[in-house]
Amino acid sequence: KAGVTQTPRYLIKTRGQQVTLSCSPISGHRSVSWYQQTPGQGLQFLFEYFSETQRNKGNFPGRFSGRQFSNSRSEMNVSTLELGDSALYLCASSFEGTSGGSTQYFGPGTRLTVL
Amino acid sequence: GQNIDQPTEMTATEGAIVQINCTYQTSGFNGLFWYQQHAGEAPTFLSYNVLDGLEEKGRFSSFLSRSKGYSYLLLKELQMKDSASYLCAVRDKSNYQLIWGAGTKLIIKP
Repeated sequence: KAGVTQTPRYLIKTRGQQVTLSCSPISGHRSVSWYQQTPGQGLQFLFEYFSETQRNKGNFPGRFSGRQFSNSRSEMNVSTLELGDSALYLCASSFEGTSGGSTQYFGPGTRLTVL
Repeated sequence: GQNIDQPTEMTATEGAIVQINCTYQTSGFNGLFWYQQHAGEAPTFLSYNVLDGLEEKGRFSSFLSRSKGYSYLLLKELQMKDSASYLCAVRDKSNYQLIWGAGTKLIIKP
């Protein structure tokens, strides 16, 4: 079974631009969660989608948004990029999602650099 | 409040045993996960504890004490490939979100 895939793997943007990241979960998984990881910080939860509905949201500004499609693929969008948005963005898929107790499986991440 | 504490970095010798501790405070507990993350790679699942006690899986074992808000990951017969960051995460029962520690960087020396 193929794992979680994320595209692109690397991205360089400038302040003020916007960016869209994509995540394809493991086949059969209906939940996708997004995390931001920066050096020295734990994974910061952005949001979770389950069956096309946002089920949980972390404490990030409204510039961060996401959606999930009927095939469970998910996209994350960041508008008006700031230098502090430079990070590794990880997507994790699970069968039932966090409330169902499923284990999360991570994709390789997208490394975003904002100049 | 919610808080997860792990040591920032640990060093151990190849072939030895190392214990990585994790203490947590959450409004409600619904399970604890350990993940391994090699530099530049995605975290990979190691273990899950929801009841007190020890879960053994090959060279890796994970222990949980809910009354103490404490867990540890025990790695035996250390190999060079075990050099990685080890992430502890707790599922909060109030919203089922995973709260993550900052990770422990484990350095294995020959």
